[in-house]
Amino acid sequence: GAGVSQSPSNKVTEKGKDVELRCDPISGHTALYWYRQSLGQGLEFLIYFQGNSAPDKSGLPSDRFSAERTGGSVSTLTIQRTQQEDSAVYLCASSRLSGFVDTQYFGPGTRLTVL
Amino acid sequence: GQQVMQIPQYQHVQEGEDFTTYCNSSTTLSNIQWYKQRPGGHPVFLIQLVKSGEVKKQKRLTFQFGEAKKNSSLHITATQTTDVGTYFCVGGSYIPTFGRGTSLIVHP
Repeated sequence: GAGVSQSPSNKVTEKGKDVELRCDPISGHTALYWYRQSLGQGLEFLIYFQGNSAPDKSGLPSDRFSAERTGGSVSTLTIQRTQQEDSAVYLCASSRLSGFVDTQYFGPGTRLTVL
Repeated sequence: GQQVMQIPQYQHVQEGEDFTTYCNSSTTLSNIQWYKQRPGGHPVFLIQLVKSGEVKKQKRLTFQFGEAKKNSSLHITATQTTDVGTYFCVGGSYIPTFGRGTSLIVHP
């Protein structure tokens, strides 16, 4: 594909519901990152995949957050029992190489609103 | 854990004036990247610095990496309205750590 894609672009959900966010990285990119950006804030690192494995999950805000990556490609970020403070834009990025040595290409993000 | 501080948070300039944003890390960085995010958009890669004391230029943009590899700066000469956006520095040795960003507002 031409770039990183994310779906849905917007998601409105009710407090307590589960949501699943999807990221399609650039084909062949080894590393995949998930970030969260609240209004007017910087990017908060959530999790990083090297291939299908996640060496560091310490950025996930709580045990309600989980992520997986299959086939070294698509990744899903799942938020269980959503809370209002989970409202933010969730950004995914991929890079050709692992270990933060290469350009990150960002997707357009998923705007999550928890009512 | 590693922290990357970025100042200022906001900068208003008149078109044609210069602009500088500074980035400081609590630890030595293996490399540093700079990204620009336009309002309503997503971050777009600008440049990566790796070597101590490195200076790179892209037209009106000048990027520097400190000798101790703990600080970096981005300087824009003669700002234009197209420069509007938030500029982020990103440091890290394994996990990327974003600075909070500097939002540049250019008044025509």
